[in-house]
Amino acid sequence: GAGVSQSPSNKVTEKGKDVELRCDPISGHTALYWYRQSLGQGLEFLIYFQGNSAPDKSGLPSDRFSAERTGGSVSTLTIQRTQQEDSAVYLCASSLSQKSYEQYFGPGTRLTVT
Amino acid sequence: GQQLNQSPQSMFIQEGEDVSMNCTSSSIFNTWLWYKQDPGEGPVLLIALYKAGELTSNGRLTAQFGITRKDSFLNISASIPSDVGIYFCAGQLYNAGNMLTFGGGTRLMVKP
Repeated sequence: GAGVSQSPSNKVTEKGKDVELRCDPISGHTALYWYRQSLGQGLEFLIYFQGNSAPDKSGLPSDRFSAERTGGSVSTLTIQRTQQEDSAVYLCASSLSQKSYEQYFGPGTRLTVT
Repeated sequence: GQQLNQSPQSMFIQEGEDVSMNCTSSSIFNTWLWYKQDPGEGPVLLIALYKAGELTSNGRLTAQFGITRKDSFLNISASIPSDVGIYFCAGQLYNAGNMLTFGGGTRLMVKP
């Protein structure tokens, strides 16, 4: 079956512009996560959605970052007024339910802010 | 900050060698997961461990959930060139719902 998909795969933007990154989780997965991975580094948690519950936003680095999940499926991560330090790979993962710890990752979106 | 210490940070392998890496923490984990990430791709789940002492294999890969629930190791036997990549451990803390904490990664490279 289809895995987690993300778009675009690459995004180059100018400093100060807004960007939107999209994630399509595995069908039927109720939990969705966003992570950020800087070059050669580990994964930094950003935000977590579970069903219709309020998202856990504890990992968002600033108020320029926001995310939404429509209809319990597709999610969009928005970064406003991008800065050069926002350059990273943004990874989305989904898991079957709140009680499933096995997260399945998409290929990521590589964001470059010039 | 990170609560998982993963080591080594990097290592060179020669084809045919066995490889070992581990993750340790001062915290107790309920679940351990091991992922591999190839360049330009997302991490792929290799092995999931759910019980202290559990030893699980996936082909040439073997992982164990430490008895103290504070550590886990991953072994790769008879390594091959396609084993190169970055390996991440991830743990689900006993008091953190289903959030995962990730180690810093072990980068596997081929000896020149």
